[in-house]
Amino acid sequence: DGGITQSPKYLFRKEGQNVTLSCEQNLNHDAMYWYRQDPGQGLRLIYYSQIVNDFQKGDIAEGYSVSREKKESFPLTVTSAQKNPTAFYLCASSMGFVGNQPQHFGDGTRLSIL
Amino acid sequence: DQQVKQNSPSLSVQEGRISILNCDYTNSMFDYFLWYKKYPAEGPTFLISISSIKDKNEDGRFTVFLNKSAKHLSLHIVPSQPGDSAVYFCAYTSGSRLTFGEGTQLTVNP
Repeated sequence: DGGITQSPKYLFRKEGQNVTLSCEQNLNHDAMYWYRQDPGQGLRLIYYSQIVNDFQKGDIAEGYSVSREKKESFPLTVTSAQKNPTAFYLCASSMGFVGNQPQHFGDGTRLSIL
Repeated sequence: DQQVKQNSPSLSVQEGRISILNCDYTNSMFDYFLWYKKYPAEGPTFLISISSIKDKNEDGRFTVFLNKSAKHLSLHIVPSQPGDSAVYFCAYTSGSRLTFGEGTQLTVNP
């Protein structure tokens, strides 16, 4: 079954610690995205990647880093520089990078600070 | 600066009636509007889209209307079913970017 897998579902971070959220897709999609959702807000774009070994900052990239070494994988690292990391993180992918290609989402990772 | 606004955080509708979800936008430079549906603890799923050159798109019980002069988008669900209860996000694409509204929680009562 094709889809997007995010792991873990829940993640706890200590102050000053970096954590990495996993995102894997087997849809053969070129483009991948990371969003953050806070209560009562829409999804905000953190980073996106159109092709392997290339990625661009979104609207709220500060305190985050990504890599795209393989087409199937787009891990997100939440660094200690991100002062308010508690949120619901969503990974998405799409066939192309044009407007009418709907993005397919994973089920998210909820990150909390200990 | 919120470019896509969903002014109603919640909407409650009786089963079988029409649900109307609204979205206002400020940026006229968009390619498509999309609607996504989200259940708790799951990722959003794509529902329906509309091109900037159209004013209506229909798919089964779901119809999206685009009023460019008013910069207003609406999603109609007829008839509403309890399984439609979810958070609905509108979003638009402009070039390579997708911008989301805050979402509206729809509750369909049996």
